[in-house]
Amino acid sequence: GEQVEQRPPHLSVREGDSAVITCTYTDPNSYYFFWYKQEPGASLQLLMKVFSSTEINEGQGFTVLLNKKDKRLSLNLTAAHPGDSAAYFCAVSGTQVVGQLTFGRGTRLQVYA
Amino acid sequence: DTTVKQNPRYKLARVGKPVNLICSQTMNHDTMYWYQKKPNQAPKLLLFYYDKILNREADTFEKFQSSRPNNSFCSLYIGSAGLEYSAMYLCASRNRGENNQAPLFGEGTRLSVL
Repeated sequence: GEQVEQRPPHLSVREGDSAVITCTYTDPNSYYFFWYKQEPGASLQLLMKVFSSTEINEGQGFTVLLNKKDKRLSLNLTAAHPGDSAAYFCAVSGTQVVGQLTFGRGTRLQVYA
Repeated sequence: DTTVKQNPRYKLARVGKPVNLICSQTMNHDTMYWYQKKPNQAPKLLLFYYDKILNREADTFEKFQSSRPNNSFCSLYIGSAGLEYSAMYLCASRNRGENNQAPLFGEGTRLSVL
């Protein structure tokens, strides 16, 4: 079945610096890709969803890149601030099983002033 | 209310005793999921209900039961808890027909088995 590798497991950056989290997956039929953010004691909050074969999506302060050729998904926080400190999870699913997600192990991001 | 609610938030159980975790949503989502998350591991899908049809993952088939008495509620049942069941249990829901819709997660129930 699908396997998702997420790196790094821990990341510490200074406020204003960028932070990059990367996931690689194995199933070439994977179609739906998600990034979730989890703050301490809170639920997994959807950060971004990506569907196209090669796509850059931009949100508030972050960019998501999907490269289906390399089976790689990345999350780039362009100018991190302390409020970004949280755990981040990538998740992948196929077209027939959209809600059945295969997650990465997560990245714990710490942004310090 | 567009949230998924889980009860209790924390659960302490004895080895060998049953455990019942509850999840509810009022968004009329047709599909509800249960994931298990252990420290330093990825959340892992245990089972899901599409309407009244239960689908359990092959490797956890005998370890977990579930029921969905109506569209809003879904339970996760452990008949005899073992130490290995200690984990965070996450419930999620979505509508199956909306392919662009990401599962919406609850805050989770942290189960500690002693």
